[in-house]
Amino acid sequence: QVQLQESGPGLVKPSETLSLTCTVSGGSISSYYWSWIRQPAGKGLEWIGRIYTSGSTNYNPSLKSRVTMSVDTSKNQFSLKLSSVTAADTAVYYCATSYVGPYYFDYWGQGTLVTVSS
Amino acid sequence: EIVMTQSPATLSVSPGERATLSCRASQSVSSNLAWYQQKPGQAPRLLIYGASTRATGIAARFSGSGSGTEFTLTISSLQSEDFAVYYCQQYNNWPRTFGQGTKVEIK
Repeated sequence: QVQLQESGPGLVKPSETLSLTCTVSGGSISSYYWSWIRQPAGKGLEWIGRIYTSGSTNYNPSLKSRVTMSVDTSKNQFSLKLSSVTAADTAVYYCATSYVGPYYFDYWGQGTLVTVSS
Repeated sequence: EIVMTQSPATLSVSPGERATLSCRASQSVSSNLAWYQQKPGQAPRLLIYGASTRATGIAARFSGSGSGTEFTLTISSLQSEDFAVYYCQQYNNWPRTFGQGTKVEIK
Protein backbone atom coordinates (compact mmCIF):
# COMPACT_ATOMS: atom_id res chain seq x y z
CA GLN A 1 0.00 0.00 0.00
CA VAL A 2 1.60 3.23 -1.13
CA GLN A 3 1.81 6.01 1.45
CA LEU A 4 2.56 9.68 0.94
CA GLN A 5 3.88 12.04 3.60
CA GLU A 6 4.26 15.79 3.25
CA SER A 7 6.97 17.67 5.13
CA GLY A 8 8.20 21.22 5.35
CA PRO A 9 7.94 24.44 7.34
CA GLY A 10 4.54 25.20 8.79
CA LEU A 11 5.17 28.94 8.81
CA VAL A 12 6.43 31.04 5.92
CA LYS A 13 6.87 34.80 5.82
CA PRO A 14 5.12 36.90 3.18
CA SER A 15 7.12 37.33 -0.04
CA GLU A 16 9.25 34.28 0.75
CA THR A 17 9.19 30.83 -0.86
CA LEU A 18 7.11 27.95 0.43
CA SER A 19 8.93 24.62 0.09
CA LEU A 20 7.36 21.23 0.68
CA THR A 21 8.48 17.67 0.07
CA CYS A 22 6.39 14.54 -0.36
CA THR A 23 7.99 11.21 0.50
CA VAL A 24 6.55 8.12 -1.14
CA SER A 25 6.76 4.78 0.63
CA GLY A 26 5.39 1.34 -0.14
CA GLY A 27 5.67 1.87 -3.85
CA SER A 28 7.88 3.23 -6.58
CA ILE A 29 7.90 6.87 -7.53
CA SER A 30 9.18 6.04 -10.99
CA SER A 31 7.00 6.24 -14.10
CA TYR A 32 4.06 7.87 -12.38
CA TYR A 33 2.45 11.27 -12.02
CA TRP A 34 2.58 13.19 -8.76
CA SER A 35 0.42 16.15 -7.83
CA TRP A 36 0.09 18.89 -5.28
CA ILE A 37 -3.35 20.08 -4.16
CA ARG A 38 -4.18 22.69 -1.56
CA GLN A 39 -7.17 23.62 0.56
CA PRO A 40 -7.60 26.88 2.48
CA ALA A 41 -9.38 26.48 5.78
CA GLY A 42 -13.09 25.89 5.28
CA LYS A 43 -12.78 26.06 1.50
CA GLY A 44 -12.53 23.74 -1.47
CA LEU A 45 -9.70 21.98 -3.21
CA GLU A 46 -7.32 23.61 -5.69
CA TRP A 47 -5.05 21.55 -7.91
CA ILE A 48 -1.62 23.20 -8.03
CA GLY A 49 0.14 21.03 -10.57
CA ARG A 50 1.69 17.69 -11.36
CA ILE A 51 5.05 16.26 -12.27
CA TYR A 52 5.98 13.05 -14.04
CA THR A 53 9.09 11.24 -12.98
CA SER A 54 10.76 12.29 -16.23
CA GLY A 55 10.44 15.84 -14.94
CA SER A 56 7.65 16.98 -17.23
CA THR A 57 5.13 19.23 -15.53
CA ASN A 58 1.68 20.76 -15.78
CA TYR A 59 0.88 23.71 -13.56
CA ASN A 60 -2.35 25.48 -12.77
CA PRO A 61 -2.25 28.69 -14.84
CA SER A 62 -3.42 30.63 -11.79
CA LEU A 63 -0.17 29.73 -10.00
CA LYS A 64 2.15 28.90 -12.88
CA SER A 65 4.37 31.96 -12.57
CA ARG A 66 5.19 31.07 -8.94
CA VAL A 67 5.29 27.27 -8.94
CA THR A 68 8.20 24.90 -9.43
CA MET A 69 7.98 21.15 -8.96
CA SER A 70 10.81 18.67 -8.96
CA VAL A 71 11.32 14.96 -8.38
CA ASP A 72 14.15 12.97 -6.82
CA THR A 73 13.70 9.33 -7.73
CA SER A 74 16.75 8.28 -5.69
CA LYS A 75 14.98 9.46 -2.53
CA ASN A 76 11.44 8.55 -3.66
CA GLN A 77 10.49 12.18 -3.14
CA PHE A 78 8.94 15.02 -5.07
CA SER A 79 8.82 18.67 -4.11
CA LEU A 80 6.87 21.89 -4.44
CA LYS A 81 8.18 25.43 -4.35
CA LEU A 82 5.79 28.37 -4.36
CA SER A 83 7.43 31.76 -4.50
CA SER A 84 6.33 35.23 -3.39
CA VAL A 85 3.71 33.87 -1.01
CA THR A 86 0.97 35.95 0.55
CA ALA A 87 -1.67 35.24 3.17
CA ALA A 88 -3.85 33.87 0.36
CA ASP A 89 -1.44 30.93 0.08
CA THR A 90 -2.24 29.81 3.63
CA ALA A 91 -3.73 26.35 3.26
CA VAL A 92 -3.39 22.67 3.91
CA TYR A 93 -1.16 21.29 1.18
CA TYR A 94 -1.64 17.70 0.02
CA CYS A 95 0.46 15.53 -2.21
CA ALA A 96 -1.53 12.99 -4.17
CA THR A 97 -1.33 10.51 -7.01
CA SER A 98 -2.92 7.72 -8.94
CA TYR A 99 -1.00 4.83 -10.42
CA VAL A 100 -3.49 4.81 -13.27
CA GLY A 101 -2.35 8.15 -14.65
CA PRO A 102 -2.66 11.93 -14.24
CA TYR A 103 -6.40 11.76 -13.81
CA TYR A 104 -8.05 11.39 -10.42
CA PHE A 105 -6.33 10.87 -7.07
CA ASP A 106 -6.65 7.67 -5.09
CA TYR A 107 -3.62 8.12 -2.86
CA TRP A 108 -3.25 11.19 -0.69
CA GLY A 109 -0.89 12.38 1.99
CA GLN A 110 -2.37 13.46 5.29
CA GLY A 111 -1.80 17.10 4.40
CA THR A 112 0.34 19.76 6.01
CA LEU A 113 -0.80 23.19 7.10
CA VAL A 114 1.29 26.06 5.83
CA THR A 115 0.59 29.47 7.28
CA VAL A 116 1.90 32.61 5.65
CA SER A 117 2.46 35.24 8.29
CA SER A 118 5.14 37.60 9.48
CA GLU B 1 -10.52 26.35 -17.22
CA ILE B 2 -13.53 24.13 -16.67
CA VAL B 3 -15.66 25.34 -13.78
CA MET B 4 -17.35 22.65 -11.71
CA THR B 5 -20.50 23.70 -9.87
CA GLN B 6 -22.00 21.53 -7.15
CA SER B 7 -25.47 21.72 -5.71
CA PRO B 8 -26.79 22.04 -3.17
CA ALA B 9 -24.11 23.58 -0.97
CA THR B 10 -25.60 21.80 2.04
CA LEU B 11 -27.89 18.78 2.10
CA SER B 12 -29.70 17.84 5.29
CA VAL B 13 -30.62 14.16 5.34
CA SER B 14 -31.80 11.71 7.98
CA PRO B 15 -29.87 8.47 8.48
CA GLY B 16 -31.24 5.76 6.25
CA GLU B 17 -32.51 8.22 3.68
CA ARG B 18 -31.28 8.70 0.14
CA ALA B 19 -28.99 11.58 -0.77
CA THR B 20 -28.58 12.95 -4.27
CA LEU B 21 -25.73 15.34 -5.02
CA SER B 22 -25.26 17.18 -8.31
CA CYS B 23 -22.21 18.38 -10.18
CA ARG B 24 -22.28 20.42 -13.37
CA ALA B 25 -19.33 21.17 -15.65
CA SER B 26 -19.06 24.42 -17.62
CA GLN B 27 -18.22 22.33 -20.71
CA SER B 28 -18.25 18.65 -21.52
CA VAL B 29 -15.82 16.46 -19.58
CA SER B 30 -17.11 13.24 -21.15
CA SER B 31 -17.04 10.65 -18.35
CA ASN B 32 -13.80 11.96 -16.88
CA LEU B 33 -15.26 12.79 -13.51
CA ALA B 34 -14.41 11.68 -9.99
CA TRP B 35 -16.14 12.05 -6.64
CA TYR B 36 -14.43 12.35 -3.26
CA GLN B 37 -15.55 12.26 0.34
CA GLN B 38 -13.79 14.41 2.92
CA LYS B 39 -14.24 14.29 6.66
CA PRO B 40 -12.92 16.98 9.02
CA GLY B 41 -9.17 16.86 9.45
CA GLN B 42 -8.75 14.16 6.81
CA ALA B 43 -7.58 14.04 3.23
CA PRO B 44 -10.22 13.45 0.58
CA ARG B 45 -11.01 9.84 -0.24
CA LEU B 46 -11.74 8.73 -3.79
CA LEU B 47 -15.25 7.27 -4.13
CA ILE B 48 -16.02 7.21 -7.83
CA TYR B 49 -14.04 7.62 -11.04
CA GLY B 50 -15.06 7.43 -14.66
CA ALA B 51 -18.32 9.04 -13.49
CA SER B 52 -19.75 5.71 -12.33
CA THR B 53 -17.02 3.26 -11.28
CA ARG B 54 -16.63 2.73 -7.57
CA ALA B 55 -13.08 2.89 -6.27
CA THR B 56 -11.60 -0.04 -4.42
CA GLY B 57 -13.31 -0.72 -1.12
CA ILE B 58 -16.15 1.74 -1.60
CA ALA B 59 -19.55 0.55 -0.40
CA ALA B 60 -22.22 -0.28 -2.95
CA ARG B 61 -24.56 2.35 -1.51
CA PHE B 62 -22.44 4.94 -3.34
CA SER B 63 -23.24 5.27 -7.03
CA GLY B 64 -22.39 7.79 -9.71
CA SER B 65 -24.04 8.63 -12.99
CA GLY B 66 -23.94 11.14 -15.78
CA SER B 67 -21.74 12.23 -18.64
CA GLY B 68 -20.93 15.36 -20.53
CA THR B 69 -21.82 18.22 -18.21
CA GLU B 70 -24.28 16.76 -15.71
CA PHE B 71 -23.34 14.29 -12.99
CA THR B 72 -24.93 12.82 -9.91
CA LEU B 73 -23.63 11.08 -6.82
CA THR B 74 -26.25 9.05 -4.99
CA ILE B 75 -25.93 7.59 -1.54
CA SER B 76 -28.77 5.10 -1.33
CA SER B 77 -29.14 4.85 2.44
CA LEU B 78 -27.10 7.23 4.50
CA GLN B 79 -25.04 5.77 7.29
CA SER B 80 -23.61 7.79 10.16
CA GLU B 81 -20.14 7.64 8.63
CA ASP B 82 -21.37 9.21 5.38
CA PHE B 83 -21.94 12.65 6.84
CA ALA B 84 -19.11 14.60 5.25
CA VAL B 85 -18.27 16.98 2.42
CA TYR B 86 -18.31 15.63 -1.12
CA TYR B 87 -16.36 17.04 -4.05
CA CYS B 88 -16.47 16.35 -7.75
CA GLN B 89 -13.38 16.71 -9.93
CA GLN B 90 -12.93 16.71 -13.69
CA TYR B 91 -9.88 15.22 -15.32
CA ASN B 92 -10.77 15.80 -18.95
CA ASN B 93 -8.83 19.06 -19.25
CA TRP B 94 -5.92 20.90 -17.66
CA PRO B 95 -5.98 22.30 -15.10
CA ARG B 96 -7.77 19.66 -13.08
CA THR B 97 -10.61 21.39 -11.26
CA PHE B 98 -12.86 20.59 -8.33
CA GLY B 99 -16.34 21.65 -7.40
CA GLN B 100 -16.80 23.76 -4.30
CA GLY B 101 -18.26 20.85 -2.36
CA THR B 102 -21.57 19.68 -0.94
CA LYS B 103 -21.83 19.20 2.79
CA VAL B 104 -24.10 16.33 3.78
CA GLU B 105 -25.30 16.93 7.31
CA ILE B 106 -27.59 15.13 9.71
CA LYS B 107 -31.18 16.31 9.59
